[in-house]
Amino acid sequence: ELKVEQNPLFLSMQEGKNYTIYCNYSTTSDRLYWYRQDPGKSLESLFVLLSNGAVKQEGRLMASLDTKARLSTLHITAAVHDLSATYFCAVDPLSNFGNEKLTFGTGTRLTIIP
Amino acid sequence: NAGVTQTPKFRILKIGQSMTLQCAQDMNHNYMYWYRQDPGMGLKLIYYSVGAGITDKGEVPNGYNVSRSTTEDFPLRLELAAPSQTSVYFCASSHGGMNTEAFFGQGTRLTVV
Repeated sequence: ELKVEQNPLFLSMQEGKNYTIYCNYSTTSDRLYWYRQDPGKSLESLFVLLSNGAVKQEGRLMASLDTKARLSTLHITAAVHDLSATYFCAVDPLSNFGNEKLTFGTGTRLTIIP
Repeated sequence: NAGVTQTPKFRILKIGQSMTLQCAQDMNHNYMYWYRQDPGMGLKLIYYSVGAGITDKGEVPNGYNVSRSTTEDFPLRLELAAPSQTSVYFCASSHGGMNTEAFFGQGTRLTVV
């Protein structure tokens, strides 16, 4: 059974600081996705990572994928209040081709403090 | 550009009642999914479909049924509602294949009393 673990589960950080959220998964995959969810809202796709070494950046967020370590990171640079949200990673195992389904991590609730 | 549309947005059910959560997508995606999200938790897969006429169980299928008669629609049926089914339900769709980026509906907040 695929397990996807994120840490930390909760993160409070001050504006202007940098931090990293980690996503570990338990089986071979080169398809990993990051989503953002605001309170009471749906999930919004942030990044699609489809190969080892993939790096994507959007504004103050940067995501990377290391398939050998089975690890993805979401790095936040110079945090601003608007980034407060819950961030989820999701993985689709390689063995699922033709039968794809995403397994989500538990989420990281990020709070940016002024 | 509607994307994934879910109805209703909110619903209160009494124990033992039945209801159908509707989900429709206009992106011609092959894959559709139903997830539930309990308060403060991640998403758990209930059922999914890889195309019209094909459905399969996810992690937490008990108490639910689905059908997929068209590419566009993927309704979720609760037959005998129980308090444990109080949750927010999200429908999602994806193209499938090598990129399974999922696009989500706005969610249905269901309370069973």
